[in-house]
Amino acid sequence: GQQLNQNPQSMFIQEGEDVSMNCTSSSIFNTWLWYKQDPGEGPVLLIALYKAGELTSNGRLTAQFGITRKDSFLNISASIPSDVGIYFCAGSYSNFGNEKLTFGTGTRLTIIP
Amino acid sequence: DAGVIQSPRHEVTEMGQEVTLRCKPISGHDYLFWYRQTMMRGLELLIYFNNNVPIDDSGMPEDRFSAKMPNASFSTLKIQPSEPRDSAVYFCASSLAATRGGYTFGSGTRLTVV
Repeated sequence: GQQLNQNPQSMFIQEGEDVSMNCTSSSIFNTWLWYKQDPGEGPVLLIALYKAGELTSNGRLTAQFGITRKDSFLNISASIPSDVGIYFCAGSYSNFGNEKLTFGTGTRLTIIP
Repeated sequence: DAGVIQSPRHEVTEMGQEVTLRCKPISGHDYLFWYRQTMMRGLELLIYFNNNVPIDDSGMPEDRFSAKMPNASFSTLKIQPSEPRDSAVYFCASSLAATRGGYTFGSGTRLTVV
């Protein structure tokens, strides 16, 4: 099935650094979502975006819905140890993002002590 | 609410055996999804239900896989017979139609077929 391309695949950063990742698709989506997965757990929703060009923040996280509707970006400012995990983007053709989701390949974030 | 509950958390079985994974969605949610996660293929949608009715099963790998949702509070994913290549983490997720917020995942079942 279709998957979204996420970049980078992995990141090694120091605590306190900012993080940027993106997700691209060949298809137009009506909703973009970002999830985080901790080891041994299911993905947890971080941010949902519903409109092209929308910029939404959740604490230190900021995400944007690309104007072409084919991409999205996630930034994490001033990283802390609990930010470690795998970040997934997901796209949906529904306007609420509650139906079928297509997931990205994931970005694995590691913080170097 | 306790969230999406999956059981068992871990399952080790021998090749050829039948495996049944279970899921209890969040009460009131009307969509239920089964995903499989592997290193090679990432998160793949296997099947999803709306109001207990299967809507799209195009992701089910082959006839050895089957899923049912006999009522709004329970779903099963069955593999018969199981093969080593079925080893993966299987996630169940649920959502509520016409509300924003994506969906909620369970903690997953890690299946190992030896």
